[in-house]
Amino acid sequence: NAGVMQNPRHLVRRRGQEARLRCSPMKGHSHVYWYRQLPEEGLKFMVYLQKENIIDESGMPKERFSAEFPKEGPSILRIQQVVRGDSAAYFCASSPHPTARWNEQFFGPGTRLTVL
Amino acid sequence: AQKVTQAQTEISVVEKEDVTLDCVYETRDTTYYLFWYKQPPSGELVFLIRRNSFDEQNEISGRYSWNFQKSTSSFNFTITASQVVDSAVYFCALSDSNYQLIWGAGTKLIIKP
Repeated sequence: NAGVMQNPRHLVRRRGQEARLRCSPMKGHSHVYWYRQLPEEGLKFMVYLQKENIIDESGMPKERFSAEFPKEGPSILRIQQVVRGDSAAYFCASSPHPTARWNEQFFGPGTRLTVL
Repeated sequence: AQKVTQAQTEISVVEKEDVTLDCVYETRDTTYYLFWYKQPPSGELVFLIRRNSFDEQNEISGRYSWNFQKSTSSFNFTITASQVVDSAVYFCALSDSNYQLIWGAGTKLIIKP
């Protein structure tokens, strides 16, 4: 059973370009979470999605960032007009059950975004 | 408000020493879950343990052990007879009434040969 897949693993962008990060959840999981890890820090929640729905985007910056989880295909985290402060590791996690607190979120390997 | 504090930014020990990583949490909920994750230099997150708030039994898994004390809101992690391969950043995280995981800042553990 394949785990959570993220690609690319490393992404380099110049300031002003767009970054697209992809996440394929584990088989059977329909809930996806995105977290951001700035250098030397812990992870911070960004957004929680179910298929075709954004449930909670309270951790997402109001501008330039968007996320989707279409009916078919991976979840996408999109960052427009990237700035150097966007350089971070972006982790995706998936779960089969959204609100069960016992629920373990399964993490992907992360995408390391570097903005030049 | 929920909060997880890992006061030790970095710990350095010599191989075979025992080491304890501290985690203190804050939550208003009576039901919650605590986690430890390991992040080796390669960067991925490795799940170590999940513990619910109603189970205060200490847990041992090989060289790893966890001490959960609700009275002090702590969930400490001890590595016995440390090895160089244990070198990593270790994160403590909390999940309560919200599905979000609240993470500590992490403790960087350096095991010297």
